[in-house]
Amino acid sequence: AQKITQTQPGMFVQEKEAVTLDCTYDTSDPSYGLFWYKQPSSGEMIFLIYQGSYDQQNATEGRYSLNFQKARKSANLVISASQLGDSAMYFCAMSLFTSGTYKYIFGTGTRLKVLA
Amino acid sequence: DSGVTQTPKHLITATGQRVTLRCSPRSGDLSVYWYQQSLDQGLQFLIQYYNGEERAKGNILERFSAQQFPDLHSELNLSSLELGDSALYFCASSVLAGGNNSPLHFGNGTRLTVT
Repeated sequence: AQKITQTQPGMFVQEKEAVTLDCTYDTSDPSYGLFWYKQPSSGEMIFLIYQGSYDQQNATEGRYSLNFQKARKSANLVISASQLGDSAMYFCAMSLFTSGTYKYIFGTGTRLKVLA
Repeated sequence: DSGVTQTPKHLITATGQRVTLRCSPRSGDLSVYWYQQSLDQGLQFLIQYYNGEERAKGNILERFSAQQFPDLHSELNLSSLELGDSALYFCASSVLAGGNNSPLHFGNGTRLTVT
């Protein structure tokens, strides 16, 4: 079954420290994309970073990096130097080509709270 | 700013009523996806349109319908509303019909409250 699993419903991190949000995925398709989104309390969904299944190097975008371990089917998000504004819900998502179009599957999210 | 516009931002209505949610995709994006997010839940895929045609259907109730117009804006119609339909409804757009290197870009959502 094609699925995204985020096992941490909530996480706390001290300001200026790094934090890793876990994401595992399940698919037998060799071609897929992995994405992370941030949803602050205001509700909007903000795209952060993506990784293609054939990409050799881990993706990075500023303070965000994606720790892609293909054999373990994991795509963890690492946020370095956490800021108070990083407090939000974070969703991992996977794209797959199926039935003539791309389907995007989302995990249930991890709520991150950054402590001052 | 993602470039995806959703209106209205908030909607409060009574059970049994019908509402229309509107979405304008990013300039150049041909595909529109609709998602429902109930309180503290993940995103449930409802339906996708590509260049005016329905491409995929998810967990969309029969009381709900959608369409994409020639100018590529999309509308999601929710009828015979029930309390359980209260949720945040997102529209997202992508280049072409999505892609493994093509993220969805989301609008700010329409928060629907059914009383």
